Amino acid sequence: DGGITQSPKYLFRKEGQNVTLSCEQNLNHDAMYWYRQDPGQGLRLIYYSQIVNDFQKGDIAEGYSVSREKKESFPLTVTSAQKNPTAFYLCASNRGWSEAFFGQGTRLTVV
Amino acid sequence: AQKVTQAQTEISVVEKEDVTLDCVYETRDTTYYLFWYKQPPSGELVFLIRRNSFDEQNEISGRYSWNFQKSTSSFNFTITASQVVDSAVYFCALSEAGGSGNTGKLIFGQGTTLQVKP
Repeated sequence: DGGITQSPKYLFRKEGQNVTLSCEQNLNHDAMYWYRQDPGQGLRLIYYSQIVNDFQKGDIAEGYSVSREKKESFPLTVTSAQKNPTAFYLCASNRGWSEAFFGQGTRLTVV
Repeated sequence: AQKVTQAQTEISVVEKEDVTLDCVYETRDTTYYLFWYKQPPSGELVFLIRRNSFDEQNEISGRYSWNFQKSTSSFNFTITASQVVDSAVYFCALSEAGGSGNTGKLIFGQGTTLQVKP
């Protein structure tokens, strides 16, 4: 079945540590996105990529980094510069004006 | 600036009641898409509908219906004869063409939590 796979489902980060969230899609979509969801709030865009080896900052990119070396993969690194990383992270992909497909999310907690 | 507002934070209904979720949007673009997504407790977002800015026809899909009115910049979602399985967070979202063309970026409302009680 085609879809988006995010891993891990739960992730715990210590202060000052970088962590990487995985996102893989087999839908052959060109565009991929990372969104952050905080309790009681809508999703906010962190980064997006419309083509391999290219990506753009979203509304809340500070403290995050991404790479797009393969069409299928768009990992997100939460760096130590992100002061409040505890949130639910969702990866998505789409093709042009089509609807976006979402992964099941990664819940990141700072311990 | 583009914005999506879902004024209803939480709604609670009893099973079989009809319920309408409101969505108001702001955009300066003439070409845009509107979406509704459902987020069940498991967390992933499930696509429900997409509507482009040139198509104001209302749509019905089973117990779900959508009312798009450009004159009031609204895209409301109605569930008829609600069921317990409809309990979830519902998001309205906007995607614009923008000056650099279509990026597919979504601007989300804050979401409405719907609780359907048996």
